[in-house]
Amino acid sequence: QVQLVQSGAEVKKPGSSVKVSCKASGGTFSSYAISWVRQAPGQGLEWMGGIIPIFGTANYAQKFQGRVTITADESTSTAYMELSSLRSEDTAVYYCGAHLTGYFYDAFDIWGQGTMVTVSS
Amino acid sequence: QSALTQPASVSGSPGQSITISCTGTSSDVGGYNYVSWYQQHPGKAPKLMIYEVSNRPSGVPDRFSGSKSGNTASLTISGLQAEDEADYYCSSYTSSSTLVVFGGGTKLTVL
Repeated sequence: QVQLVQSGAEVKKPGSSVKVSCKASGGTFSSYAISWVRQAPGQGLEWMGGIIPIFGTANYAQKFQGRVTITADESTSTAYMELSSLRSEDTAVYYCGAHLTGYFYDAFDIWGQGTMVTVSS
Repeated sequence: QSALTQPASVSGSPGQSITISCTGTSSDVGGYNYVSWYQQHPGKAPKLMIYEVSNRPSGVPDRFSGSKSGNTASLTISGLQAEDEADYYCSSYTSSSTLVVFGGGTKLTVL
């Protein structure tokens, strides 16, 4: 049974960066696609981008291009999402999700528990 | 503003059926059979309920069903139960550079 475990909550200053991790267990990490989705307080879900570890290249939503970097470390079965130039509007819960078929067009089969990122001066 | 349009709320009594719509365009919902639905209880991560328009993952009750007509996908829940009260989100693959789009979410209230 595949599980995704994310790093803990973060509080950051405006203008700084945050890096959130997502560790997978119970499956073949390299063969999945891993996406990052965020949810602002009281709001809906928003896809930020994703990576297929076996290929190593990431795809990003246009809105976040230039500000988000998604990477993966196959040796530790861990994906990372780094968001820079943080502003108050980036305050949200950040989720990682696994597409077990390896394709972003397919569903998010498994989700991490979420990581709350608060941006405040 | 979300790429896919869902009603903000729906409600039904226990035992009844409800349907949640998800309207997109020919570039997403209408163009591909990669529509999925997620259930989210307060403070919890989303859970996959339907994938590829109408398929249920193992463990999801057959009270949940999905369909699509043109640019609109639908999630139907029959025999409503109290535990079905949650937010529901649709998602679709899109041909734009943003590969995945979501609906704004629908709050289901079981009366």
